[in-house]
Amino acid sequence: QTVVTQEPSLTVSPGGTVTLTCASSTGAVTSAYYPNWFQQKPGQAPRALIFDTDNKYSWTPARFSGSLLGGKAAMTLSGVQPEDEADYYCLLYYDGGQLWVFGGGTKLTVL
Amino acid sequence: QVQLQESGPGLVKPSQTLSLTCTVSGGSISSGNYYWSWIRQPAGKGLEWIGRIYTSGNTNYNPSLKSRVTISVVTSKNQFSLRLTSVTAADTAVYYCAGSSVYSNYDRWGQGTLVTVSS
Repeated sequence: QTVVTQEPSLTVSPGGTVTLTCASSTGAVTSAYYPNWFQQKPGQAPRALIFDTDNKYSWTPARFSGSLLGGKAAMTLSGVQPEDEADYYCLLYYDGGQLWVFGGGTKLTVL
Repeated sequence: QVQLQESGPGLVKPSQTLSLTCTVSGGSISSGNYYWSWIRQPAGKGLEWIGRIYTSGNTNYNPSLKSRVTISVVTSKNQFSLRLTSVTAADTAVYYCAGSSVYSNYDRWGQGTLVTVSS
């Protein structure tokens, strides 16, 4: 069974920078996994932030960026704001089975 | 601007079938290259991808649910649906429908609907 792993929790100070990562049990994550990133606040539906590794939506704040880092998908928040406190999920595509798998999520605390 | 809205029973008995509908507004469900998906989230837990249907009618499902899941499109109603058979308490979750404007994204989400499996 394919497992996608994220940091369970991270803490960052307002104005700081933090990088969230997303690893695959099958090996290095590449652009072929079409990494997606989502933000979810309590009681709300997930909101899409990044797709296809580093592509942003029109509504994605400029401080969010996606990349590949050390064999993992990564999302960096630069100049973190208090409103960025949320759960963040990555999503990877596995072509062999034509399925998508979510990571377990990272709870980001801004403190 | 495509918007999605889930609907269906909030309570399902064990061993019965869970049926949900997602109504698409702001665009035709059969136009373009949109992809339509279902995702769920048990209380306090992470997201789980259930499956996806393409405008061609092709489907892909999570292997862990594949034997129990069917996703289909009702073009005349601009809706797509989820059917999950033989449910247990483990299927209790908030169910989200999602739309993708390109293959590699999930840009549109419904607000989610809570389904509880209980007798």
